[in-house]
Amino acid sequence: AQTVTQSQPEMSVQEAETVTLSCTYDTSESDYYLFWYKQPPSRQMILVIRQEAYKQQNATENRFSVNFQKAAKSFSLKISDSQLGDAAMYFCAYKTFGNEKLTFGTGTRLTIIP
Amino acid sequence: EAGVAQSPRYKIIEKRQSVAFWCNPISGHATLYWYQQILGQGPKLLIQFQNNGVVDDSQLPKDRFSAERLKGVDSTLKIQPAKLEDSAVYLCASSLRIGPPADTQYFGPGTRLTVL
Repeated sequence: AQTVTQSQPEMSVQEAETVTLSCTYDTSESDYYLFWYKQPPSRQMILVIRQEAYKQQNATENRFSVNFQKAAKSFSLKISDSQLGDAAMYFCAYKTFGNEKLTFGTGTRLTIIP
Repeated sequence: EAGVAQSPRYKIIEKRQSVAFWCNPISGHATLYWYQQILGQGPKLLIQFQNNGVVDDSQLPKDRFSAERLKGVDSTLKIQPAKLEDSAVYLCASSLRIGPPADTQYFGPGTRLTVL
């Protein structure tokens, strides 16, 4: 079974600085997708960024970028120029190609220090 | 574009009582998901619908949980009878269809259930 591990329950960063959240996963599949979701106190999960495993190029979305290491099964999220609105729980998630079920990690709570 | 709507936002019940949650997906989205998120954990898929049909309910505790999606639009999730361990946030999500690139799941605000 696929598993997703987030080893950092909590992280904090100074406003305007850069922070990296870690995620590792276990799978025997070769085709899959990886995601980072943000969950603010409102509880609504918001997609931050997505990566297709067959793409070697790391995905980027404005201040958010990933470091995808397929051989190491690692998928970290880098947030540049951190803003107060980035404070939230961040979940790493995995989905096999052809199966819509998302498997989530346990989350990392990110605090932004003004 | 309106997002995924859920109600109620909060519900408190006694154990052994029944409860129902409602979800209205984004207009035109064929696929609908119910997730259970226990405090301190990531969401876990309970059931997935494609239009009115069930695609995956392998993690739905069918002795007490049921879900339906009539006419392929709104969905209800019911728990009967509730147990203490059912205390969680119940998240509904929808996606345009199965398969990339239209498979991004959009989540609603969730219903926080407390079972006393």
